Amino acid sequence: GQQLNQSPQSMFIQEGEDVSMNCTSSSIFNTWLWYKQDPGEGPVLLIALYKAGELTSNGRLTAQFGITRKDSFLNISASIPSDVGIYFCAGHEGGADGLTFGKGTHLIIQP
Amino acid sequence: NAGVTQTPKFQVLKTGQSMTLQCAQDMNHNSMYWYRQDPGMGLRLIYYSASEGTTDKGEVPNGYNVSRLNKREFSLRLESAAPSQTSVYFCASTTSWDQPQHFGDGTRLSIL
Repeated sequence: GQQLNQSPQSMFIQEGEDVSMNCTSSSIFNTWLWYKQDPGEGPVLLIALYKAGELTSNGRLTAQFGITRKDSFLNISASIPSDVGIYFCAGHEGGADGLTFGKGTHLIIQP
Repeated sequence: NAGVTQTPKFQVLKTGQSMTLQCAQDMNHNSMYWYRQDPGMGLRLIYYSASEGTTDKGEVPNGYNVSRLNKREFSLRLESAAPSQTSVYFCASTTSWDQPQHFGDGTRLSIL
């Protein structure tokens, strides 16, 4: 199957800091998605990207669909305690099958 | 609006027992999916149903069967549970394959 490399695996930051994480793929995707998962819950969609080069914001979150269609990044500005969780990138090649997920970035905010 | 509902939320089985995980969505979505989530592995696709009446294998289908009972419901069955199937199982749905998927809150399954 397709490989999605998501980095970093974990981040330890101070409240108020900006955060950046990214995903790279071994092949081209038609759609990039970013999800957040809180403990004991399912992933919740944060941002969806559909075109190469697309830059989309959702509040303090900004994500971009790479020009090569093989990568995407997610930035979080001015982190707050409720940003803690696991962030997943996911890509879709096109077709009826499911998403390919990265292994997640654990975001931890230190007091 | 409940979205995607999974039952049960937790289950413990003995090796060799059978079990059906239930999933229902109330968003009139056409496509439904079953994933498993293991530590450090992300989510991996087990089976999917692109539309009512169709099912297809995903990345890790061995040991599982599925039934798309109607447009709302998509069940996952373990015929003879094995410890390697200990995982968190997520159901997801979407209106069409090119749209984002919406997830349930998962079923936490332990097999002893």
